[in-house]
Amino acid sequence: DTEVTQTPKHLVMGMTNKKSLKCEQHMGHRAMYWYKQKAKKPPELMFVYSYEKLSINESVPSRFSPECPNSSLLNLHLHALQPEDSALYLCASSVTGGPVMNTEAFFGQGTRLTVV
Amino acid sequence: KQEVTQIPAALSVPEGENLVLNCSFTDSAIYNLQWFRQDPGKGLTSLLLIQSSQREQTSGRLNASLDKSSGRSTLYIAASQPGDSATYLCAVLSSGTYKYIFGTGTRLKVLA
Repeated sequence: DTEVTQTPKHLVMGMTNKKSLKCEQHMGHRAMYWYKQKAKKPPELMFVYSYEKLSINESVPSRFSPECPNSSLLNLHLHALQPEDSALYLCASSVTGGPVMNTEAFFGQGTRLTVV
Repeated sequence: KQEVTQIPAALSVPEGENLVLNCSFTDSAIYNLQWFRQDPGKGLTSLLLIQSSQREQTSGRLNASLDKSSGRSTLYIAASQPGDSATYLCAVLSSGTYKYIFGTGTRLKVLA
């Protein structure tokens, strides 16, 4: 099973709403990532978790709050978002980052987020 | 800071052509380079992974090469098909980090 599953596939939320994106993998990977992708642009890294601990935060606004409750799950909690936060949010996982040979990254199908 | 560039930005070819997509990166200190395919509005599908110690990888009609010293990788697609139409992205994993940095992408259209 080389699958990263993201839910929901689509989400429309108001600027005062609180919502969460969910990502799940059962490959035993210990590194998990959140990326944001705007239309016709490459994905941009937001957060990296390694062994359930936050290792990288790419200066993401606090209205985005990641959480890694266990080694298979990654959440992204959303609160008070702006319309410019509308994008495709991608989750990825890899065995681990760093000096390990097999660091192939596997991506989910993404959540299309629209903030109104 | 690692920067990754892909040329061309867009490419339209007739079915059956062999084609080459290019990826350049500024910092040669990488663990690996990965090529992805992305269909419109969808996630990323991994095509090929090349470790920093390798020169090339092959999968079916796809062949990817890596010249780390010059900061370049190419993706060769043989006998292109309309189903190959998608955006192709390269990503590098820089040494000492967990950061996969993506290139700007090449939008490929293969005409039947």
